[in-house]
Amino acid sequence: AQSVTQLDSQVPVFEEAPVELRCNYSSSVSVYLFWYVQYPNQGLQLLLKYLSGSTLVESINGFEAEFNKSQTSFHLRKPSVHISDTAEYFCAVSDLRGSARQLTFGSGTQLTVLP
Amino acid sequence: DTGVSQDPRHKITKRGQNVTFRCDPISEHNRLYWYRQTLGQGPEFLTYFQNEAQLEKSRLLSDRFSAERPKGSFSTLEIQRTEQGDSAMYLCASSGGANMKLFFGSGTQLSVL
Repeated sequence: AQSVTQLDSQVPVFEEAPVELRCNYSSSVSVYLFWYVQYPNQGLQLLLKYLSGSTLVESINGFEAEFNKSQTSFHLRKPSVHISDTAEYFCAVSDLRGSARQLTFGSGTQLTVLP
Repeated sequence: DTGVSQDPRHKITKRGQNVTFRCDPISEHNRLYWYRQTLGQGPEFLTYFQNEAQLEKSRLLSDRFSAERPKGSFSTLEIQRTEQGDSAMYLCASSGGANMKLFFGSGTQLSVL
């Protein structure tokens, strides 16, 4: 069994400030890691993923996340946020066993970017 | 690629009634998933299909819930004898090939009065 903890349910930040959304996971086996984003009135969209290789992964809109196996973390960061980044962000894990590839999600972090 | 579509967007029903939701995945995707999301929580896995075969079901899926994907294309999720605790957003997702990326629909919001 695996679980995901997103400690911060709400993160308000001013525009152009840096942000970090924290994610810790628990699993007895190796995992794949994901960040999904849900903009208001839209479905979940994949932001970035770690499957293997470089532990630092980037998205096309300036977010990055680093897989830290020793700390079982996959924190999401952006050096300078925009108003349009306001959304709910979900961290998720999927273990490498089986074919279901189901995701276990955290409870989400609402990022609100203030002008 | 028209994305994953779900119908209806909203459903209001009285306790004890049956409801059915439909999901049309991206056409070339062979894997289809149902998730449930309640307020303030992340999505929770309900069930998974590969083509028409239902390969996995969560313990969350009580015997009042049934899902089908008869021709390996669209899927339906039926809830019988709805309860107020069934009120949630029901999400469908699909994926294909070796890609780990799930494409989610916008969901069906169920309210049980």
